Amino acid sequence: EVQLLESGGGLAQPGGSLRLSCAASGFSFSLYAMTWVRQAPGKGLEWVSSVSGGVINTYYADSVKGRFTISRDDFKNTMYLQMNSLRAEDTAIYYCAKDRSRAVGFYGMDVWGHGTTVAVYS
Amino acid sequence: QSVLTQPPSVSAAPGQKVTISCSGSTSNIGNHYVFWYQQLPGSAPKLLIYENTNRPSGIPGRFSGSKSGTSVTLDITGLQTGDEADYYCGAWDSSLSAVVFGGGTKVTVL
Repeated sequence: EVQLLESGGGLAQPGGSLRLSCAASGFSFSLYAMTWVRQAPGKGLEWVSSVSGGVINTYYADSVKGRFTISRDDFKNTMYLQMNSLRAEDTAIYYCAKDRSRAVGFYGMDVWGHGTTVAVYS
Repeated sequence: QSVLTQPPSVSAAPGQKVTISCSGSTSNIGNHYVFWYQQLPGSAPKLLIYENTNRPSGIPGRFSGSKSGTSVTLDITGLQTGDEADYYCGAWDSSLSAVVFGGGTKVTVL
């Protein structure tokens, strides 16, 4: 069964850091791009960042560029999101998702995790 | 303000049809595939339509997508109470080098 399991969410102060993980199973992880999408309380979906499969290319939303870093470890079948300089507006459920190809964004995301909650408050 | 524009809500009685529109530009919908997601209350999003018109296995034929120029639509026929959810369109935007979503449309079954 194809599964994605996020972890690492929690409480952080403004300016603080958190590292999210997304453990994948049931598919050839290295062959697919992977994506983080977040959803603030009561709001819609917001794309955060993606990393391609194969040759590594990374992409970021303007709202997180320079603060967040996406990475992947194909030996551990795990994707990460290092979040630094956190702000109150980063408070959200963070979902990891598997793209349908190794290219980022073109074909949609067909598998989603259940999400991990990040709350940034002072 | 979302890059893709969707109506905030649509509603219809059970058995009826609803249509959700999603409009964009040539940098996203006009030149890239569009996908639709369904998000049931308290759940993660689920892929409903990919490559404008295709349904993943397990998605009923009551859900269909179409595209014309820089707009797409999602039709839900034979509406059921279990279809009450938020629906999001999405696409790659080549000007932004980013995935963009619509603001979401809440479907209510009257």
